[in-house]
Amino acid sequence: AQKITQTQPGMFVQEKEAVTLDCTYDTSDQSYGLFWYKQPSSGEMIFLIYQGSYDEQNATEGRYSLNFQKARKSANLVISASQLGDSAMYFCAMSLLGGAQKLVFGQGTRLTINP
Amino acid sequence: DSGVTQTPKHLITATGQRVTLRCSPRSGDLSVYWYQQSLDQGLQFLIQYYNGEERAKGNILERFSAQQFPDLHSELNLSSLELGDSALYFCASSVGNTIYFGEGSWLTVV
Repeated sequence: AQKITQTQPGMFVQEKEAVTLDCTYDTSDQSYGLFWYKQPSSGEMIFLIYQGSYDEQNATEGRYSLNFQKARKSANLVISASQLGDSAMYFCAMSLLGGAQKLVFGQGTRLTINP
Repeated sequence: DSGVTQTPKHLITATGQRVTLRCSPRSGDLSVYWYQQSLDQGLQFLIQYYNGEERAKGNILERFSAQQFPDLHSELNLSSLELGDSALYFCASSVGNTIYFGEGSWLTVV
């Protein structure tokens, strides 16, 4: 079974600073995908970034990058130059590849950006 | 906008009642997933359909059922509702390895 652990229940960061949200995962499978989602207070679940287990380069999407360390089983999200609109819950998730893509989610990290 | 459409956005209903949540996936996406987000359980996978066929089942209660229609839209039916079924229900669809969520349907059971 897969498991995602997000150890930071909440984080407070000054606007324009970079922030790293931690995520570790556990699986015995070799083919898997790692995801980050943002959930603002309005409730929608916004896809941010995806990393496949066989991808050699870390994924990047604009201000978001995923620091993938396979040996450590970690997939931290880095947000550069944080903005007030980045305040939200952030969820790390994983799924196995090649079959049903059931996402397993972590408990989330609530990020607050201070002006 | 993820392209996944869910209706209704909010509904309030009484215990024992039945509701239907509707989802239209992104254009061309054959897979539809349903997830439940509650305060005590977090985000949980319920069920997946692929091109009309059930593909995977998660922690879905027997009181809940789903289907995917030929036009690829999906419905999640929740019956004999209990207070604990109050949650945010998400539909998602996928293209390749990327999974996009709709805005969710907030269900309150009173």
